[in-house]
This record gives sequence, structure tokens and C-alpha cells, in this order.
Amino acid sequence: DAKTTQPNSMESNEEEPVHLPCNHSTISGTDYIHWYRQLPSQGPEYVIHGLTSNVNNRMASLAIAEDRKSSTLILHRATLRDAAVYYCILREAHYTGANSKLTFGKGITLSVRP
Amino acid sequence: NAGVTQTPKFQVLKTGQSMTLQCAQDMNHNSMYWYRQDPGMGLRLIYYSASEGTTDKGEVPNGYNVSRLNKREFSLRLESAAPSQTSVYFCASSDPAPQHFGDGTRLSIL
Repeated sequence: DAKTTQPNSMESNEEEPVHLPCNHSTISGTDYIHWYRQLPSQGPEYVIHGLTSNVNNRMASLAIAEDRKSSTLILHRATLRDAAVYYCILREAHYTGANSKLTFGKGITLSVRP
Repeated sequence: NAGVTQTPKFQVLKTGQSMTLQCAQDMNHNSMYWYRQDPGMGLRLIYYSASEGTTDKGEVPNGYNVSRLNKREFSLRLESAAPSQTSVYFCASSDPAPQHFGDGTRLSIL
């Protein structure tokens, strides 16, 4: 499985934008970039995913470098509820069978200051 | 919407005891997964079931067995619990993505 590298932690202020980086220099052409987050004492929840183009949804935006070796999860206005561990995960495009599983790293712990 | 439901939420076992963790999903997903999460670590895959009737080992299968009872239910069994299996266990389902997770079972083995 292609690996991702994330900083251990990041701090932000409430109501300010947050940019969470992820490096994936060995990404293959068929790997999607997925982001999940895990709030304290909860299971992970899906945030966003993309392949080549930048993506937006109600939770966040995903900016993908042109060479796809890195990506950035953008929270436009951080709230206290956004304090969580954020996981950047590569997942093969052909999701069936064995390729459907996720490989989690340690993620990046985001703290939000009031 | 219930999503993925795990039972029990908490459990304390003695070394050598057996136990089955239950997981059910109501989203008609084909694939289901069991992960464990140790303190300060990411999730590690124990077993998964790509579809009803199939199961496969993940990264850390030793000491565990699974049963895909039907499309909705996927159980994880500890035959002889060991202190090293103290962890938080998460069940997930997908079809094919993204994965939806339950709230976890916190298991302590003394």
C-alpha cells in the first residue's frame, strides 16, 4: 500500500481557516486520496475524497497538487467541534474485495483554540 | 438512521475468557470490517468481509475469528482473551466507499 506522511499535530484558532497537509510521494495513478476524521471517543467519519481535481463538500475542501504527490485538507472556518484526529488515506480506485479496505496511519491531531 | 451498531459498548474480561463482539449495519452494504485501535495509534484492520459469505484476514488477525452471519451482521470472536487484546474495536461497512463506522466497543482484559 502506498503510504502517506502527516505532521503529528497542528493548532488553529476558532473561526480561522485550517490547512492540513499530507504527503504521498509514492501514490499510483489509480489511488484516490481519502480523508477521515475521528472525534474524541467516536469512530472515524468520512470527510472527503478526490483523485486529481480539487473537491469541495459541506465539510471541507481538498486541494490536490498537480503531481498528486501531496494534498491539503482545508477547513474554511474551524470550530471547536473540528478538534479531532484527521487521517489522510490512499485507496485504490477499484474498490471491490481486498482493495476496499483502508490503511490508517496515526493521523494529524488538530487542536482548536477558542 | 442507525447506520452501524456495535454491542456491547464496554466490556471487561478476564484472561482466557471468550467473547463475541456484535456488529450490524442497516445500509445494505456488501463489505464489512473489524478494526482495533490502541491508545495513540491509528486503526488496524483485523478481518474484513468483502461480501456476504466471504471473510479475509487483515493486518492483525491472530487471536480472532469472524463470522459474516448475513449481509447485515458481522461478528468478531475472541476465543481466549489476552491482555494484549485490550483495545477499542470498531466495526465499519461500505459499498464500496466511504466506510461508515460504529462508535466502538471498549474492551479491557485483566
